[in-house]
Amino acid sequence: GENVEQHPSTLSVQEGDSAVIKCTYSDSASNYFPWYKQELGKRPQLIIDIRSNVGEKKDQRIAVTLNKTAKHFSLHITETQPEDSAVYFCAVRMDSNYQLIWGAGTKLIIKP
Amino acid sequence: EAGVVQSPRYKIIEKKQPVAFWCNPISGHNTLYWYLQNLGQGPELLIRYENEEAVDDSQLPKDRFSAERLKGVDSTLKIQPAELGDSAVYLCASGPQGQGTQYFGPGTRLLVL
Repeated sequence: GENVEQHPSTLSVQEGDSAVIKCTYSDSASNYFPWYKQELGKRPQLIIDIRSNVGEKKDQRIAVTLNKTAKHFSLHITETQPEDSAVYFCAVRMDSNYQLIWGAGTKLIIKP
Repeated sequence: EAGVVQSPRYKIIEKKQPVAFWCNPISGHNTLYWYLQNLGQGPELLIRYENEEAVDDSQLPKDRFSAERLKGVDSTLKIQPAELGDSAVYLCASGPQGQGTQYFGPGTRLLVL
């Protein structure tokens, strides 16, 4: 079955700097890759997603890149702000049954 | 547009008691998911519905958990009897059919004493 690994588990960056979180997956047939942000005590919120026919997608300060050959995708946050502090989860959709397989999460800490 | 609605938001019960959670998905979303999330971990799928049909319930502990989505809209997840280890946040999500995109509700935080 699909296996998703997410790194790092914790990331601390200075406010204004960039943050990058990476996920690798095992099933080359996977075709949908969302990123969720979860603040403490709140719901996971879809912040950006990408499908397998696209290599990069950007939305203001966040972007996602996908390398299908290497089977990894990354979340990039530029000009980080205190409100970016949260746990970020990547996920991979299996083509066979539409189930999302989740990464273990990355706790992002923005230092003022 | 209203998001996914869940109730109650919090529930405290004693072990061996029954409990039920309700979810109303985003209008027009055929796919509905129930997840369990423990502190510091990612969501774990319990069951997925396509309209009124449960198409993936392999992770649902069927000895004590049950779910229904009779009219293909709102859904109920039940635990009977609850155990201490069931304490967690129960999340409902919905999405358009066949796309994989999922939008989460606020969750129900369950504490079993």
